[in-house]
Amino acid sequence: KQEVTQIPAALSVPEGENLVLNCSFTDSAIYNLQWFRQDPGKGLTSLLLIQSSQREQTSGRLNASLDKSSGRSTLYIAASQPGDSATYLCAVEFQETSGSRLTFGEGTQLTVNP
Amino acid sequence: DVKVTQSSRYLVKRTGEKVFLECVQDMDHENMFWYRQDPGLGLRLIYFSYDVKMKEKGDIPEGYSVSREKKERFSLILESASTNQTSMYLCASSFTAEQYFGPGTRLTVT
Repeated sequence: KQEVTQIPAALSVPEGENLVLNCSFTDSAIYNLQWFRQDPGKGLTSLLLIQSSQREQTSGRLNASLDKSSGRSTLYIAASQPGDSATYLCAVEFQETSGSRLTFGEGTQLTVNP
Repeated sequence: DVKVTQSSRYLVKRTGEKVFLECVQDMDHENMFWYRQDPGLGLRLIYFSYDVKMKEKGDIPEGYSVSREKKERFSLILESASTNQTSMYLCASSFTAEQYFGPGTRLTVT
């Protein structure tokens, strides 16, 4: 069974710190990996999409990397701000599943303290 | 910008009622999805659709059905609501790989 795991489940950091969120997946045969942000009680906002042929994607202070062979992705957030406080979810489209289905991790709840 | 809207943010229904959750997207996306999100279980796929009148079961379809009569609209139906269907329901749409989510419906079944 394909699974996606995110560690840690929760993280609290002071403002200004650079931080890394981790995502691991059980099968290296993937089409893509997507990082989302979710604010409490809200829907998901797409942050970055990495295709299987890519190694990383960047958007502003965010950088996501992908290492298919080891089944890992990291989301790097530079110079964290209180507004970055949210739950960050990693989702993978495995080749074995059909129809653009995503398998989600349970997320990392990030708190950035002023 | 892609916009995915859901008919209600909060909904309270009684056990046994028939419940309709509506989702509309404005970007002519082929694919639409219904998930539920529960603490400790994450997001789980209920049903998805590739095109009008097409539907596929996800990981947890029991107790649910769906309808897609128009490309932009995907409805989730709880035929007879039960308390274990209390959850956050999220709709998403996509054209290629990237999925875009609606704001969610918090459903409480009493």
